[in-house]
Amino acid sequence: EPEVTQTPSHQVTQMGQEVILRCVPISNHLYFYWYRQILGQKVEFLVSFYNNEISEKSEIFDDQFSVERPDGSNFTLKIRSTKLEDSAMYFCASSVTGANGHEQYFGPGTRLTVT
Amino acid sequence: GENVEQHPSTLSVQEGDSAVIKCTYSDSASNYFPWYKQELGKGPQLIIDIRSNVGEKKDQRIAVTLNKTAKHFSLHITETQPEDSAVYFCAALSPGRRALTFGSGTRLQVQP
Repeated sequence: EPEVTQTPSHQVTQMGQEVILRCVPISNHLYFYWYRQILGQKVEFLVSFYNNEISEKSEIFDDQFSVERPDGSNFTLKIRSTKLEDSAMYFCASSVTGANGHEQYFGPGTRLTVT
Repeated sequence: GENVEQHPSTLSVQEGDSAVIKCTYSDSASNYFPWYKQELGKGPQLIIDIRSNVGEKKDQRIAVTLNKTAKHFSLHITETQPEDSAVYFCAALSPGRRALTFGSGTRLQVQP
């Protein structure tokens, strides 16, 4: 069964450093998403991406964040200058378009620790 | 924006018993309600969903009910098994949007 994959599984970085989190969505999916989950809190939406542009973003997704689809398979989240409060689990998700386009399938996540 | 409340935060049942998890939402226009199961060290796995034009949906031992008037929906797991132990999240989606709004999660423990 196709799955969303994410790398790395755990990333440790120092405050102020740039990080790139990588995702490979399910191959026939056209919508891509990033969510995050701070320890003990709800899963929060960051951004959705379709047709090579951001289709929706939350207040959390400020100028420090960017997303990119650098090739036909990868989808990345970049945090330009990490802060302590960026420490969280980051989940990538993907969905098809059309009638079943609501169904979002999540990857296993990347645990980001900012020290 | 949408707000989703989920109860209980923890639930312990004996193997074979039923488990019920409840969620309420604030945006009456929300029209899609998925449930996710998250096992330790894994991402959320979509287990069942319901759209606003349907009141109930079943898939083997799991079912979801939706009450649009009261703006609440529930997950029902019958004949629970130890492998059902996990954290369960409800979510809601407003029309025209792609951002799922999640509940805070319920940790279900099924005692053998």
